[in-house]
Amino acid sequence: GQNIDQPTEMTATEGAIVQINCTYQTSGFNGLFWYQQHAGEAPTFLSYNVLDGLEEKGRFSSFLSRSKGYSYLLLKELQMKDSASYLCAVRGSGGSYIPTFGRGTSLIVHP
Amino acid sequence: DTEVTQTPKHLVMGMTNKKSLKCEQHMGHRAMYWYKQKAKKPPELMFVYSYEKLSINESVPSRFSPECPNSSLLNLHLHALQPEDSALYLCASSTGDSNQPQHFGDGTRLSIL
Repeated sequence: GQNIDQPTEMTATEGAIVQINCTYQTSGFNGLFWYQQHAGEAPTFLSYNVLDGLEEKGRFSSFLSRSKGYSYLLLKELQMKDSASYLCAVRGSGGSYIPTFGRGTSLIVHP
Repeated sequence: DTEVTQTPKHLVMGMTNKKSLKCEQHMGHRAMYWYKQKAKKPPELMFVYSYEKLSINESVPSRFSPECPNSSLLNLHLHALQPEDSALYLCASSTGDSNQPQHFGDGTRLSIL
């Protein structure tokens, strides 16, 4: 089975930096995705990690440690529009290309 | 706007009605998915189609019936739904390659009276 854990909710201040953690226990590992979802909208792809280390994309970065079963999404220079749910999704092994979603972290950015 | 288009955006139906949700993508993706999402919960996988054939059914009740008429279209036929089926229904597609993400539609907000 797969177990993916994220904090339920986080708050941060506009302009600040926030780190959203995701820990996982899966049957094998074949990649981890981060998605952003605004209320009532589609999840949109943010990042993909399959090797250890940091992937940077503008204000967003994602880190992976396979040995620790751990990833984080780092958001810099927070903007009000970053208020959304952030979903961690892990793909296990076994040939399935379908990731399992964590419950998501609701991020509230306030002025 | 997303590259996966879902219609309708909102649907209200009674428990005896029959309706269909539609999903379309023109990215040449070979895998298409239906998810159900309740408020403040992650998407739950319902069905997966690969090369127009049903490959995964996550023990979904038979009142939900998927159909894939061609590689660009995915339908979800609804009949005799229950109030607890009220949710956001998301369609997604992907190439099927392990390192490629899923692309989601904006969903259909379904309410069962």
